[in-house]
Amino acid sequence: GIQVEQSPPDLILQEGANSTLRCNFSDSVNNLQWFHQNPWGQLINLFYIPSGTKQNGRLSATTVATERYSLLYISSSQTTDSGVYFCAVGKGFKTIFGAGTRLFVKA
Amino acid sequence: EPEVTQTPSHQVTQMGQEVILRCVPISNHLYFYWYRQILGQKVEFLVSFYNNEISEKSEIFDDQFSVERPDGSNFTLKIRSTKLEDSAMYFCASSIGVETQYFGPGTRLLVL
Repeated sequence: GIQVEQSPPDLILQEGANSTLRCNFSDSVNNLQWFHQNPWGQLINLFYIPSGTKQNGRLSATTVATERYSLLYISSSQTTDSGVYFCAVGKGFKTIFGAGTRLFVKA
Repeated sequence: EPEVTQTPSHQVTQMGQEVILRCVPISNHLYFYWYRQILGQKVEFLVSFYNNEISEKSEIFDDQFSVERPDGSNFTLKIRSTKLEDSAMYFCASSIGVETQYFGPGTRLLVL
C-alpha cells in the first residue's frame, strides 16, 4: 500500500517564526489533504491539494504530484497553531494518514 | 456551516459487548468514512461507504466491524464483540466526491 512519511516528527517554534512541514508519499494519488489536529483532538481541514499551490491566510501548501511530495508552510506562527499536522493521501476511496508533525509554538 | 456530528462523545464498555457509534454526515454528501486513532498514534482508515455499499476497507475492518446507513441521515459503525485493543477515538467523515473529507468530533471508546 501507499506509504506516507512526514517530517519533521516534532517541531518547537518561537511565536512569530516560520516553518515548513513535508509530506512524502510512495505512489501516485488522486487526493491529498492537510489537517490540523488541535489539542482537543478535533481534525480541522486545512487544504485539499492533490496538486498545485494554495494559500489561506498565514498557511499555504504546495503539492508536486510528479515528485510525490507536499509542503505545508506556516508563517508568523501563533500559539494557537500548536497541535499535530497530518498529511493524508488517497487512491480511490482509501485514505492513508502520515504519522504527523507535532508542533509546539512557544509564547 | 454544515458539520458532521457524532454520538456519543464518549463511551465506556466491557470487553465482549457490542457497541454502535453513530454519525450524521453533512446532508448533501455522498461518501462516508470511518477512521480510528489509538491514543498518541496516527489516524487509521477503516472503511469507506458509497451508494449503500462498502467501497474500500482496511485490514483492520474485520468481521467484528460493520457499517450501515439505516436511514437518510445516520451512518453507523458497529463493533460486535469489543476487545481491549478497540479502545480508540473513532472519527466519522463525509465528502461530496473524492475530495475534501470533513471530519466529525469523534467518539472516544474505552473498552474495559
